[in-house]
Amino acid sequence: QSALTQPASVSGSPGQSITIFCTGTSSDVGSYNLVSWYQQHPGKAPKLMIYEVSHRPSGVSYRFSGSKSGNTASLTISGLQAQDEADYYCCSHAGSSTSVFGGGTKLTVL
Amino acid sequence: QLQLQESGPGLVKASETLSLTCTVSGGSISSSSYYWGWIRQPPGKGLEWIATIYYSGSTYYNPSLKSRVTMSMDTSKNQFSLKLTSVTAADTAVYYCARDAAIPYSSTFDYWGQGTLVTVSS
Repeated sequence: QSALTQPASVSGSPGQSITIFCTGTSSDVGSYNLVSWYQQHPGKAPKLMIYEVSHRPSGVSYRFSGSKSGNTASLTISGLQAQDEADYYCCSHAGSSTSVFGGGTKLTVL
Repeated sequence: QLQLQESGPGLVKASETLSLTCTVSGGSISSSSYYWGWIRQPPGKGLEWIATIYYSGSTYYNPSLKSRVTMSMDTSKNQFSLKLTSVTAADTAVYYCARDAAIPYSSTFDYWGQGTLVTVSS
């Protein structure tokens, strides 16, 4: 069970859109529509932003969207805002009721 | 509103056992609708899933930690616990407890505790 692969950092200007990719394998991301995304601000607990690839929990902005193709999932944030600056983590079901996280991506809003 | 709170020693000596408890309020861990888990984050690093338990007592462990991890639950106290044996400096991390939102298990952690820092000292 290896960690999912995410870029270490991405950046964008306010109002722009960015996409964070999360690459796994056919044993995790590729096999299940059970990818979730988390936002984490410094010193805080992670917050669920997307579940089951593309579903938004109540209260999460429509600016956050998710998708998946093959072994790669993605999180898109549109209309970037200063408060979106945070670390983002993907997570996938990996079979037998286990989970695997990505290494995390630091989003900088320029 | 569901709340989770981690508790346990903040300092553990190397080679000893790390023990943490998560107390859940505003909901029951005996519900068949959810799983409960532990996730950790070493300082400055990413998240790592450790283990998950279901109300039936079934447990699921990260293969890389399986030989050292035990998860249990006490429904009378609405708590679940983590034990990690033979700790080393690499086990220094913020440990979070969390709820998995769906049945079957979905890797969707919708409620988290605030986290507790455990430092392993030599």
